[in-house]
Amino acid sequence: KAGVTQTPRYLIKTRGQQVTLSCSPISGHRSVSWYQQTPGQGLQFLFEYFSETQRNKGNFPGRFSGRQFSNSRSEMNVSTLELGDSALYLCASSGPGGTIPYEQYFGPGTRLTVT
Amino acid sequence: GEDVEQSLFLSVREGDSSVINCTYTDSSSTYLYWYKQEPGAGLQLLTYIFSNMDMKQDQRLTVLLNKKDKHLSLRIADTQTGDSAIYFCAEKNYGGSQGNLIFGKGTKLSVKP
Repeated sequence: KAGVTQTPRYLIKTRGQQVTLSCSPISGHRSVSWYQQTPGQGLQFLFEYFSETQRNKGNFPGRFSGRQFSNSRSEMNVSTLELGDSALYLCASSGPGGTIPYEQYFGPGTRLTVT
Repeated sequence: GEDVEQSLFLSVREGDSSVINCTYTDSSSTYLYWYKQEPGAGLQLLTYIFSNMDMKQDQRLTVLLNKKDKHLSLRIADTQTGDSAIYFCAEKNYGGSQGNLIFGKGTKLSVKP
């Protein structure tokens, strides 16, 4: 089974711009979660999508948004980028068939740098 | 609120045991996990423990849970240089949706030859 893929792997943007990141979950997985990883704050939960619906949301401003498509692929969007948005954005998928409860499979992440 | 705390760094010699500690605050946690992150990679689930267990062993890994003190530890026996990575403790609380894990900030393990 192919793992979770994220594109692009690296991105450099300028303050004020917007960015869209993409995540393709493991085949058969319907839950996709997004996390932001920074050295100072560690891993912070952004949101989770399941069957095209946002099921849970972390404590991030409205500039951070996401969506999920009928094939379970997910995108997250950050508008009006700030320097503090520079981070590694990780996507994780979960679904039936695993042996570990609520196991999440992580992608390699997208490294976003805002200048 | 929910919070997971870990020490930031640990350095050991190859062949020694490593013990990474974690404390959490949410008493309704149902599952606790240990993830490993190697440079440039995403997180890989190493092991987990259900909150009604005290200990779980999986090859070189031993997880100990003290629910009264809300303390979790991961012991790696015979630590190898390939174990050098960042280790994250994470909790899933009761009733939380499937995708919402609360992570600690990670412990960077350095293994010296």
